[in-house]
Amino acid sequence: AQTIHQWPVAEIKAVGSPLSLGCTIKGKSSPNLYWYWQATGGTLQQLFYSITVGQVESVVQLNLSASRPKDDQFILSTEKLLLSHSGFYLCAWSHWGGGAEQFFGPGTRLTVL
Amino acid sequence: SQWGEENLQALSIQEGEDVTMNCSYKTYTTVVHWYRQDSGRGPALIILIRSNEREKRSGRLRATLDTSSQSSSLSITAAQCEDTAVYFCATDAGNNRIFFGDGTQLVVKP
Repeated sequence: AQTIHQWPVAEIKAVGSPLSLGCTIKGKSSPNLYWYWQATGGTLQQLFYSITVGQVESVVQLNLSASRPKDDQFILSTEKLLLSHSGFYLCAWSHWGGGAEQFFGPGTRLTVL
Repeated sequence: SQWGEENLQALSIQEGEDVTMNCSYKTYTTVVHWYRQDSGRGPALIILIRSNEREKRSGRLRATLDTSSQSSSLSITAAQCEDTAVYFCATDAGNNRIFFGDGTQLVVKP
Protein backbone atom coordinates (compact mmCIF):
# COMPACT_ATOMS: atom_id res chain seq x y z
CA ALA A 1 0.00 0.00 0.00
CA GLN A 2 1.09 3.52 -0.74
CA THR A 3 1.67 6.04 2.00
CA ILE A 4 2.28 9.77 1.87
CA HIS A 5 4.04 11.68 4.60
CA GLN A 6 4.51 15.42 5.02
CA TRP A 7 6.85 17.27 7.32
CA PRO A 8 6.77 19.22 9.47
CA VAL A 9 3.24 18.95 10.79
CA ALA A 10 3.21 22.64 11.63
CA GLU A 11 5.56 25.61 11.49
CA ILE A 12 5.55 29.10 12.94
CA LYS A 13 7.99 31.31 11.08
CA ALA A 14 8.93 34.97 10.92
CA VAL A 15 8.39 37.14 7.88
CA GLY A 16 11.53 37.13 5.78
CA SER A 17 12.78 33.78 7.05
CA PRO A 18 13.38 30.77 4.79
CA LEU A 19 11.10 27.75 4.55
CA SER A 20 11.37 24.16 3.47
CA LEU A 21 8.46 21.72 3.48
CA GLY A 22 8.78 18.10 2.51
CA CYS A 23 6.68 15.27 1.17
CA THR A 24 7.53 11.61 0.59
CA ILE A 25 5.53 8.86 -1.06
CA LYS A 26 6.26 5.24 -0.31
CA GLY A 27 5.04 2.22 -2.21
CA LYS A 28 4.54 3.90 -5.56
CA SER A 29 7.04 4.15 -8.37
CA SER A 30 7.13 7.31 -10.52
CA PRO A 31 4.04 9.02 -9.14
CA ASN A 32 2.76 12.36 -10.39
CA LEU A 33 3.28 14.81 -7.52
CA TYR A 34 1.48 18.02 -6.62
CA TRP A 35 1.70 20.89 -4.14
CA TYR A 36 -1.38 22.82 -3.07
CA TRP A 37 -1.95 25.81 -0.80
CA GLN A 38 -5.14 26.36 1.13
CA ALA A 39 -6.02 29.53 3.05
CA THR A 40 -8.04 29.07 6.22
CA GLY A 41 -11.63 28.53 5.17
CA GLY A 42 -10.64 28.58 1.50
CA THR A 43 -10.27 26.28 -1.44
CA LEU A 44 -7.18 24.49 -2.73
CA GLN A 45 -4.89 26.31 -5.13
CA GLN A 46 -2.50 24.17 -7.09
CA LEU A 47 1.07 25.47 -6.87
CA PHE A 48 3.31 22.95 -8.64
CA TYR A 49 3.27 19.57 -10.24
CA SER A 50 5.94 17.08 -11.24
CA ILE A 51 5.71 14.03 -13.44
CA THR A 52 9.32 12.92 -13.14
CA VAL A 53 12.46 13.37 -11.07
CA GLY A 54 14.14 16.72 -11.55
CA GLN A 55 11.22 18.20 -13.47
CA VAL A 56 8.79 20.61 -11.80
CA GLU A 57 6.17 22.84 -13.41
CA SER A 58 4.91 25.99 -11.71
CA VAL A 59 1.19 26.72 -11.84
CA VAL A 60 1.00 30.03 -9.95
CA GLN A 61 3.60 32.56 -8.90
CA LEU A 62 3.61 32.93 -5.13
CA ASN A 63 7.33 33.46 -4.48
CA LEU A 64 7.70 29.75 -3.82
CA SER A 65 9.77 27.11 -5.52
CA ALA A 66 9.61 23.35 -5.64
CA SER A 67 12.00 20.55 -6.42
CA ARG A 68 11.86 16.80 -6.87
CA PRO A 69 15.30 15.49 -5.93
CA LYS A 70 14.17 11.85 -5.74
CA ASP A 71 11.38 9.83 -7.31
CA ASP A 72 9.53 9.70 -4.01
CA GLN A 73 10.32 13.17 -2.65
CA PHE A 74 8.84 16.62 -3.31
CA ILE A 75 10.15 19.76 -1.62
CA LEU A 76 8.51 23.19 -1.35
CA SER A 77 10.66 26.12 -0.35
CA THR A 78 11.25 29.83 -0.31
CA GLU A 79 14.13 32.01 0.80
CA LYS A 80 11.92 34.76 2.17
CA LEU A 81 8.50 34.20 3.70
CA LEU A 82 5.64 36.67 3.35
CA LEU A 83 2.61 37.02 5.59
CA SER A 84 0.52 35.82 2.66
CA HIS A 85 2.28 32.45 2.74
CA SER A 86 0.37 31.46 5.86
CA GLY A 87 -1.99 28.57 5.32
CA PHE A 88 -2.26 24.84 4.89
CA TYR A 89 0.13 23.18 2.45
CA LEU A 90 -0.91 19.89 0.96
CA CYS A 91 1.10 17.43 -1.06
CA ALA A 92 -0.68 14.93 -3.29
CA TRP A 93 0.18 12.14 -5.67
CA SER A 94 -1.62 10.35 -8.47
CA HIS A 95 -0.92 7.26 -10.54
CA TRP A 96 -0.97 9.36 -13.69
CA GLY A 97 -2.42 12.62 -14.99
CA GLY A 98 -5.53 12.99 -17.09
CA GLY A 99 -8.05 13.15 -14.30
CA ALA A 100 -6.74 10.38 -12.09
CA GLU A 101 -7.63 10.40 -8.41
CA GLN A 102 -5.30 12.44 -6.22
CA PHE A 103 -4.19 11.10 -2.86
CA PHE A 104 -3.45 13.82 -0.35
CA GLY A 105 -1.06 13.92 2.53
CA PRO A 106 -1.97 15.14 6.02
CA GLY A 107 -0.74 18.67 5.29
CA THR A 108 1.53 21.21 6.97
CA ARG A 109 0.05 24.17 8.81
CA LEU A 110 2.22 27.26 8.29
CA THR A 111 1.84 30.45 10.29
CA VAL A 112 3.93 33.43 9.26
CA LEU A 113 4.20 36.22 11.85
CA SER B 1 -10.03 29.97 -11.24
CA GLN B 2 -12.07 28.24 -13.83
CA TRP B 3 -14.85 27.66 -11.37
CA GLY B 4 -17.85 29.87 -11.13
CA GLU B 5 -19.75 30.63 -7.98
CA GLU B 6 -21.08 27.59 -6.19
CA ASN B 7 -24.73 27.78 -5.32
CA LEU B 8 -24.09 27.24 -1.61
CA GLN B 9 -21.01 27.75 0.49
CA ALA B 10 -22.48 26.75 3.86
CA LEU B 11 -25.21 24.21 4.49
CA SER B 12 -26.73 23.10 7.77
CA ILE B 13 -29.23 20.25 7.81
CA GLN B 14 -30.76 17.76 10.20
CA GLU B 15 -29.68 14.17 10.31
CA GLY B 16 -31.72 12.05 7.92
CA GLU B 17 -32.30 14.83 5.40
CA ASP B 18 -31.09 14.76 1.83
CA VAL B 19 -28.72 17.43 0.54
CA THR B 20 -27.38 18.52 -2.82
CA MET B 21 -24.28 20.59 -3.57
CA ASN B 22 -23.71 22.17 -6.95
CA CYS B 23 -20.71 23.33 -8.96
CA SER B 24 -20.18 24.90 -12.33
CA TYR B 25 -16.96 24.98 -14.31
CA LYS B 26 -15.70 27.17 -17.11
CA THR B 27 -13.42 25.02 -19.25
CA TYR B 28 -13.52 21.61 -20.82
CA THR B 29 -12.88 18.65 -18.58
CA THR B 30 -13.05 14.90 -18.99
CA VAL B 31 -13.74 14.23 -15.34
CA VAL B 32 -15.16 15.83 -12.21
CA HIS B 33 -13.86 14.76 -8.83
CA TRP B 34 -15.70 15.28 -5.58
CA TYR B 35 -13.50 15.40 -2.50
CA ARG B 36 -14.35 15.49 1.15
CA GLN B 37 -12.11 17.30 3.62
CA ASP B 38 -12.39 16.81 7.35
CA SER B 39 -11.11 19.56 9.60
CA GLY B 40 -7.32 19.77 9.68
CA ARG B 41 -6.83 16.94 7.21
CA GLY B 42 -6.13 16.51 3.53
CA PRO B 43 -9.03 15.95 1.12
CA ALA B 44 -10.08 12.45 0.10
CA LEU B 45 -11.86 11.46 -3.07
CA ILE B 46 -15.42 10.29 -2.51
CA ILE B 47 -16.73 10.01 -6.05
CA LEU B 48 -15.48 10.59 -9.57
CA ILE B 49 -17.66 11.07 -12.62
CA ARG B 50 -16.40 11.07 -16.18
CA SER B 51 -17.69 13.14 -19.08
CA ASN B 52 -19.34 10.12 -20.68
CA GLU B 53 -21.39 9.51 -17.52
CA ARG B 54 -24.46 11.52 -16.56
CA GLU B 55 -24.80 9.97 -13.14
CA LYS B 56 -22.66 8.00 -10.72
CA ARG B 57 -23.68 6.42 -7.45
CA SER B 58 -21.68 5.21 -4.50
CA GLY B 59 -23.62 4.19 -1.43
CA ARG B 60 -25.56 7.24 -0.24
CA LEU B 61 -23.71 9.50 -2.68
CA ARG B 62 -24.91 10.45 -6.12
CA ALA B 63 -22.99 12.64 -8.55
CA THR B 64 -24.33 14.08 -11.76
CA LEU B 65 -22.56 15.76 -14.63
CA ASP B 66 -24.04 17.92 -17.34
CA THR B 67 -21.34 18.73 -19.84
CA SER B 68 -23.65 20.95 -21.90
CA SER B 69 -24.14 23.33 -18.96
CA GLN B 70 -20.71 22.57 -17.49
CA SER B 71 -22.14 21.76 -14.10
CA SER B 72 -21.99 18.95 -11.59
CA SER B 73 -23.83 18.09 -8.42
CA LEU B 74 -23.23 15.90 -5.40
CA SER B 75 -26.18 14.56 -3.43
CA ILE B 76 -26.11 12.79 -0.11
CA THR B 77 -29.13 10.75 0.86
CA ALA B 78 -30.19 10.49 4.50
CA ALA B 79 -27.24 12.51 5.76
CA GLN B 80 -25.55 11.41 8.95
CA CYS B 81 -23.61 13.47 11.49
CA GLU B 82 -20.41 11.90 10.20
CA ASP B 83 -21.08 13.50 6.80
CA THR B 84 -20.17 16.85 8.37
CA ALA B 85 -17.19 18.08 6.34
CA VAL B 86 -16.19 20.43 3.55
CA TYR B 87 -16.95 19.14 0.07
CA PHE B 88 -15.02 20.24 -3.00
CA CYS B 89 -15.47 19.61 -6.66
CA ALA B 90 -12.43 19.59 -8.91
CA THR B 91 -11.65 19.23 -12.58
CA ASP B 92 -8.61 18.33 -14.58
CA ALA B 93 -7.99 20.93 -17.28
CA GLY B 94 -5.30 18.82 -18.90
CA ASN B 95 -1.53 18.92 -18.50
CA ASN B 96 -1.90 18.08 -14.81
CA ARG B 97 -3.71 21.35 -14.11
CA ILE B 98 -6.27 20.79 -11.37
CA PHE B 99 -8.93 23.31 -10.41
CA PHE B 100 -10.86 23.10 -7.16
CA GLY B 101 -14.18 24.80 -6.53
CA ASP B 102 -14.81 27.06 -3.56
CA GLY B 103 -16.15 24.26 -1.41
CA THR B 104 -19.26 23.71 0.67
CA GLN B 105 -19.17 23.41 4.44
CA LEU B 106 -21.83 20.87 5.32
CA VAL B 107 -22.99 20.57 8.91
CA VAL B 108 -25.33 17.73 9.79
CA LYS B 109 -27.03 18.22 13.13
CA PRO B 110 -28.32 15.34 15.27
